[in-house]
Amino acid sequence: AAGVIQSPRHLIKEKRETATLKCYPIPRHDTVYWYQQGPGQDPQFLISFYEKMQSDKGSIPDRFSAQQFSDYHSELNMSSLELGDSALYFCASSPSIKNIQYFGAGTRLSVL
Amino acid sequence: QKEVEQNSGPLSVPEGAIASLNCTYSDRGSQSFFWYRQYSGKSPELIMSIYSNGDKEDGRFTAQLNKASQYVSLLIRDSQPSDSATYLCAVTGSARQLTFGSGTQLTVLP
Repeated sequence: AAGVIQSPRHLIKEKRETATLKCYPIPRHDTVYWYQQGPGQDPQFLISFYEKMQSDKGSIPDRFSAQQFSDYHSELNMSSLELGDSALYFCASSPSIKNIQYFGAGTRLSVL
Repeated sequence: QKEVEQNSGPLSVPEGAIASLNCTYSDRGSQSFFWYRQYSGKSPELIMSIYSNGDKEDGRFTAQLNKASQYVSLLIRDSQPSDSATYLCAVTGSARQLTFGSGTQLTVLP
């Protein structure tokens, strides 16, 4: 079965640079969630989209933005990167008719 | 205080034993409850979902929910070394984003 696809899997950036993370949800899933997991921490909700509209917002810094496109894939744009942004970033997708989320393999972002 | 609390662990059980993982949550409006398994450096993998009071069984896994006590648990029967991982309890309310506990690290000893 198709799963949530995230790219890239690993990303190394310098401070103050920008990064774009991509997420392709499971086919026919119309809702996408982004989570950040720092070292030794549990995943923290950043933002979600339903039918290409932002549905909820969590602890997402103002330096980050995201959107969902017509094909339901989503991108997380991160600017002015800081050392503390180094983390695993997970995307999860869900069909709106069922409250259940499936996670992608994640993007490991390292900010040097 | 975190919204979702888990017994801190780490928890070690011998192979073949029952592992019991516990979770409490503070928001009485929580509606859906999940257990995810996460291997180090990997993504959370859905193990169980439970939405109403009582028990739900799936293979070696049983989830138990008690909304009055704001308590959810996961039992793993016939534990295997491959079950060694961090188990994350997660809840959602009317908004569907997951709120996770800090996780319980389980080690199954051969």
